[in-house]
This record gives sequence, C-alpha cells and structure tokens, in this order.
Amino acid sequence: QLQLQESGPGLVKTSETLSLTCTVSGGSISTSDYYWGWVRQPPGKGLEWIGTILLSGSTYFHPSLESRVAMSVDTSKNQFSLRLNSVTAADTAVYYCTRVRPTRIFDFWGQGTPVTVSS
Amino acid sequence: DIQMTQSPSTLSASVGDRVTITCRASQSINSWLAWYQQKPGKAPNLLINKASNLESGVPSRFSGSGSGTEFTLTISSLRPEDFATYYCQQYKSPPWTFGQGTKVEI
Repeated sequence: QLQLQESGPGLVKTSETLSLTCTVSGGSISTSDYYWGWVRQPPGKGLEWIGTILLSGSTYFHPSLESRVAMSVDTSKNQFSLRLNSVTAADTAVYYCTRVRPTRIFDFWGQGTPVTVSS
Repeated sequence: DIQMTQSPSTLSASVGDRVTITCRASQSINSWLAWYQQKPGKAPNLLINKASNLESGVPSRFSGSGSGTEFTLTISSLRPEDFATYYCQQYKSPPWTFGQGTKVEI
C-alpha cells in the first residue's frame, strides 16, 4: 500500500525558507504513470494547490507562489521536496504531499505536517 | 483562475438523511471535477473523479453528477462516518482550485 510521509521543521522564522521532504514507501517514485505534488491548508481554511513535479523534473506552480517556490525529486531516496522562501505568517498551514494523476487529481495524500511561520 | 464555490458552507443532517452538496465553477470545466472527503485532523480522501466516477472502495451511497459549471455530490443515506468536510476540485485548467468546503455536521 502506497504511503507518503512529510518531514521537516514545524516552525520557520519570518522571511526564511520553509523546506519539507516527502518520503514515498510502498511504491516507486520513479514512475512515469504519476506525478508528485504539494497542497496546503491554512488553519481552519480550505485547500490550496502549491505545485506539481514530474519525474523529468518539470515543475508547475501556483502563480501566486511561483516566484518563491521550488520542488525537486530524489529518486535514489524515493523522496521529493518543497522549498518556499521568504515566508510570512500567511504561509502558516498544514502541508500535504500527494501523488498526482496525469489528470491532476490528488489520489494519495500524506498525513500532513503543520508548519508555523513566526518571528 | 477558475473559482469554485460550494453551497452550503455548513449542512446539519441526521443519520439516514439524503444529503446534497453543490459546487459551481466560474466557467465551464466540462466534467473535470473531483470530490474529496476530509475528517478532522486527517488528510483529504478522493471520492469521485470526472464528476461522477466513484473511486475504488468508496461506498455506493456516494454519487456525483453535473457538467459544465454546476455539480452535485449526493450521499443517499448518511452514515455516522460520513460526518466530515467535503471539497470539490476542478482540474480543467491550472491553477487547480478547490471549493471552500462544505461541513456536514450532526
């Protein structure tokens, strides 16, 4: 059974960089059948797509975030990562890593990791 | 961006009730719509794709319909484990966007 697990600091200082890693188990990240992505959920609010990465390394980001975000894949570790720089309190959220179908549906989710941005 | 609007925001219901949630898109998305269920403290779970296709393992009391700009998620007979928040998501064109959610409560 596929499992995704987020890891990273739960507290990031304002203006610094948020870095999260998603470890995939029960399946290989090195598949062209699926993509990998990140979705976040601010406290008490709805879901926001952050970005998607393909095995080729091609990335697609939400326009509101693309100037601050980067994603990468490490096939040797079966992991993919998110970096979001110049964070503010508005970036405080639960961050989910997901498997993404080519149709752009999010069909497997990690449990989520809460990240607080504070000075 | 395509805006997704769900109604109602909160729905009070009882076990056994038939429940319908509406999702409207700001422009036509054909049938490129998914529904997710999220329970408190948990990740969302994919229920339906392409507006009406039930995901494997999802109970048949869930159904989806619609196309273009108006869609519905129906639970035919509410069970205790169905009390949750439901989100629609369009995947017609990026950025992929979600509705604000509908909380189904007792």
